[in-house]
Amino acid sequence: DTGVSQDPRHKITKRGQNVTFRCDPISEHNRLYWYRQTLGQGPEFLTYFQNEAQLEKSRLLSDRFSAERPKGSFSTLEIQRTEQGDSAMYLCASSLPLEETQYFGPGTRLLVL
Amino acid sequence: DQQVKQNSPSLSVQEGRISILNCDYTNSMFDYFLWYKKYPAEGPTFLISISSIKDKNEDGRFTVFLNKSAKHLSLHIVPSQPGDSAVYFCAAISTTSGTYKYIFGTGTRLKVLA
Repeated sequence: DTGVSQDPRHKITKRGQNVTFRCDPISEHNRLYWYRQTLGQGPEFLTYFQNEAQLEKSRLLSDRFSAERPKGSFSTLEIQRTEQGDSAMYLCASSLPLEETQYFGPGTRLLVL
Repeated sequence: DQQVKQNSPSLSVQEGRISILNCDYTNSMFDYFLWYKKYPAEGPTFLISISSIKDKNEDGRFTVFLNKSAKHLSLHIVPSQPGDSAVYFCAAISTTSGTYKYIFGTGTRLKVLA
């Protein structure tokens, strides 16, 4: 399978715990994006990497959120001190340079109790 | 401020008939538009896109129409099949603004009845 992969697919945690999600983009894609989707809404942009550089961050990405993409390959999204409002589907996407189409992974569904 | 709107939360269509899903946008800087299909517990799957220099793009059973003056786009699926039942999202991007983030609508749930 050469698509975007995400791990884990599901995560249940207690309020106040830290969680980390991983995204592996399509191998030749140098752009990587994180989105969050809540019930009844479309995906909302969180952040974007070109290679290892984080070039854009949404206001949605509070100080408790941090994303990295070491070596420009896989990316991690960490949420510290989780809150119930963080419960959502976290989607990763990747794209080729100079192409507009983003290809999404299956998502990580987070439930904060 | 919802820059991309899908005003119909749901749509039911008989198998074999045409499905028309609509999307409106407010930001005149948007110049590239995409449609994604999403099944439960899966990520969005790319369907079809259109640049603002065109008014129509066709790919098999899927056609997207863009009316720039009305800031409106629509996705036509002909003929509709039960496997098309999913949530459809339109997304818009401004390729000249230096940002690469999509702005998504809230989705339309399509149900194709056998």
